[in-house]
Amino acid sequence: KNEVEQSPQNLTAQEGEFITINCSYSVGISALHWLQQHPGGGIVSLFMLSSGKKKHGRLIATINIQEKHSSLHITASHPRDSAVYICAVNRYQFYFGTGTSLTVIP
Amino acid sequence: DAGVIQSPRHEVTEMGQEVTLRCKPISGHDYLFWYRQTMMRGLELLIYFNNNVPIDDSGMPEDRFSAKMPNASFSTLKIQPSEPRDSAVYFCASSPIWANREDNYGYTFGSGTRLTVV
Repeated sequence: KNEVEQSPQNLTAQEGEFITINCSYSVGISALHWLQQHPGGGIVSLFMLSSGKKKHGRLIATINIQEKHSSLHITASHPRDSAVYICAVNRYQFYFGTGTSLTVIP
Repeated sequence: DAGVIQSPRHEVTEMGQEVTLRCKPISGHDYLFWYRQTMMRGLELLIYFNNNVPIDDSGMPEDRFSAKMPNASFSTLKIQPSEPRDSAVYFCASSPIWANREDNYGYTFGSGTRLTVV
């Protein structure tokens, strides 16, 4: 059993759609991270959060500590949002989800 | 700031050879992380440092792997001897602080080193 589960594994959306990617975890954590990996392989850290909600541009990340669940939302999606989104949690160790592959079609 | 700088970008080596990967973190960042990414296992944390001191190396696969951080601006990950199963992309990342600050988006990743061991 994976400590971090993401859903969906693959997601295709039309440009402009509202997108939600979910992350559930089973361990106690200090922080949860959302990472974006572009088709070229580079990784960008989008958010690090331990409670509540964070917003950066069109991206919103929320976390519910009691339910051990986090969501990443993308508003007004754009083809440049096409990437793999990875959820990771850490406390004493790091655990990574397997990623959600997002394709946004023009 | 130029970001986290890794070198080389690509490395092809023969089995049994020593491989050294290099990382220059962002100035002022207290934490440095080494990750490995493969198709089979995804992203894995190998080791991380705080203020140049190794804190957790439980992710280092075996004794063939070693990492050092002799000063705040440089770290190396060495594999000796290398094996084909070490082929992966190795990422270095740095972070200023763990805390949930509004202006802290977490880590800054380097571009990675793609290692191929033949």
